[in-house]
Amino acid sequence: GENVEQHPSTLSVQEGDSAVIKCTYSDSASNYFPWYKQELGKGPQLIIDIRSNVGEKKDQRIAVTLNKTAKHFSLHITETQPEDSAVYFCAATDSWGKLQFGAGTQVVVTP
Amino acid sequence: GAGVSQSPSNKVTEKGKDVELRCDPISGHTALYWYRQSLGQGLEFLIYFQGNSAPDKSGLPSDRFSAERTGGSVSTLTIQRTQQEDSAVYLCASSTADTNYGYTFGSGTRLTVV
Repeated sequence: GENVEQHPSTLSVQEGDSAVIKCTYSDSASNYFPWYKQELGKGPQLIIDIRSNVGEKKDQRIAVTLNKTAKHFSLHITETQPEDSAVYFCAATDSWGKLQFGAGTQVVVTP
Repeated sequence: GAGVSQSPSNKVTEKGKDVELRCDPISGHTALYWYRQSLGQGLEFLIYFQGNSAPDKSGLPSDRFSAERTGGSVSTLTIQRTQQEDSAVYLCASSTADTNYGYTFGSGTRLTVV
């Protein structure tokens, strides 16, 4: 079955710097890769996603890249702000179309 | 409603008691998922409902856990004879049949077993 690994588990960045979170997956049939942001006391919220026919997607300060050959995808946050502090989860669809989640990355943006 | 609604938001129960957690998905979403999130941990899959198909119960940790979905809409997760290790946030999510549009999560139910 699908196995999604996510690194790092924690990431501390200075406000204004960039943050990068990387995920790898094992199922070559995976074709959809969403990223979720979870703030304290809330449920995860979809922030950006990418499909297998696209290599990169941007939405303001966040971007996601996908390398299907290497089976890895990454989330990039530029010009980080304190409100970017949260836990971020990557995910990939398995053979049945169900999402498999990474273990999460705690991002702390320090002023 | 506009989002996935879960109730109660918080539940404190005594060890050994049964609890029921409710999830009201987005109208029209045929797929519904339950996850468990222990403090500071990731998302542990519990059970998945898709339309009228038999649910995928592969993530349920023991036979004390069960879930049903009535009329293809509201779902109830039941934990019998609760144990302290059941303390966690229980998250529900829903999606359309096309999972290429991601899941929408509710805010969760924080369960504390004392």
